[in-house]
Formats: sequence, structure tokens, C-alpha cells
Amino acid sequence: GQQVMQIPQYQHVQEGEDFTTYCNSSTTLSNIQWYKQRPGGHPVFLIQLVKSGEVKKQKRLTFQFGEAKKNSSLHITATQTTDVGTYFCAGPDDMRFGAGTRLTVKP
Amino acid sequence: KAGVTQTPRYLIKTRGQQVTLSCSPISGHRSVSWYQQTPGQGLQFLFEYFSETQRNKGNFPGRFSGRQFSNSRSEMNVSTLELGDSALYLCASSLLTGPYNEQFFGPGTRLTVL
Repeated sequence: GQQVMQIPQYQHVQEGEDFTTYCNSSTTLSNIQWYKQRPGGHPVFLIQLVKSGEVKKQKRLTFQFGEAKKNSSLHITATQTTDVGTYFCAGPDDMRFGAGTRLTVKP
Repeated sequence: KAGVTQTPRYLIKTRGQQVTLSCSPISGHRSVSWYQQTPGQGLQFLFEYFSETQRNKGNFPGRFSGRQFSNSRSEMNVSTLELGDSALYLCASSLLTGPYNEQFFGPGTRLTVL
């Protein structure tokens, strides 16, 4: 099956800087999910987006679903060391997980 | 509720051997998916089982197989192990099948093939 493409693969930021990861698909997605995996841990569900143009916020995290439902983004404002980990987007059915963006934060 | 449990947590095998990994989903969850995670390849989908039936399958060779029991517990088997099978194997459960269901992951089984 097809896979959602995620960029960048790595991102290193200074604490307090913003961070964005992008997910793209060549086909329209019925929904997209985001997960976070801390170092040494397992993926944990963050959020699901279903509607075209949908924007959801969780404290410093902002999730967007594109108008065409082919792309999505996760933006973190003013990163903290607790944000360290790998962020994955996941498409429906056999599209499954993107390669992930590994975020490191320098204190 | 107890989370997803996987056994064993760590496993060392040699090439050519076979291995069976076990996953117990959250109580009431009927869907179990398996993933292989390696540093270079990220999370690769192996297969999903729902009510004892394989619903989806990823692009892995036939050496990788799985099954689900009536109590929703699932096992995956890898035969004729290769060095490249060394990875973290994660299982995830969800209440139902379908794309709108949040997946709950277990801690994984770390398989090392020597």
C-alpha cells in the first residue's frame, strides 16, 4: 500500500524555538492521526483529524489538515525539552505510518 | 484498564531459527495490529487482525505470519530468521477495526538475531 511521506526526518532546535513537521499524501485521506514516541518508549496517540481544513490545538501543539485532505502538519510553539521524541503521522488502513520526524531540543 | 502487554520483552535468536511473539490487547479491544520498527525504516506495518481474521497485510515476506485467538490475544511468528529481522516489534490494539480508531501500543518485543 501507499505510505504517507513525512518531512523532515530530523529536526534539532534550541529550547524555545518553534518546530513543524509535515505529512503528505498523493491521494485524499479520509483521516490522519498523529502519534509521539519518546526515546525508548512506544508511540502514543496525540490526535485525529477528519475534516477538510481542520485545525486542532493541544496547548503548544497545533495540528492542521489540508483543504484537499492530502497533507497535514504538526506545529509546536516554543519547544521544551519534554517535546523530545519522534512524531509520526498515520494514514488510514494500509497507508499506515510515515517515517517520522525525530525532534531533539537543546536546553 | 491494563494496557497492551507483549511477551517476551527481549529475545535473542540465531539465524534460521523461528520465533513467536505474543500480544494481549486492552480488554474489550478486538483489533490487533503488528509493526516492525527499525532505526532506518521507521514503523512498518505487518498485519492487522480483527475478530480472528486478518484484515490487512503489509509488504512483508511469507516468513512473517500471525493469528488472533477468540479472546483477541494475538501472536506473530517469524520463521527462518535473518539478521535483518532484528528490530523492535510493536503491537497495537484498538476497540474496532477501521481508520478512525485510536491505536494503543504495547512496549514492544526487542528481537536480536545473531
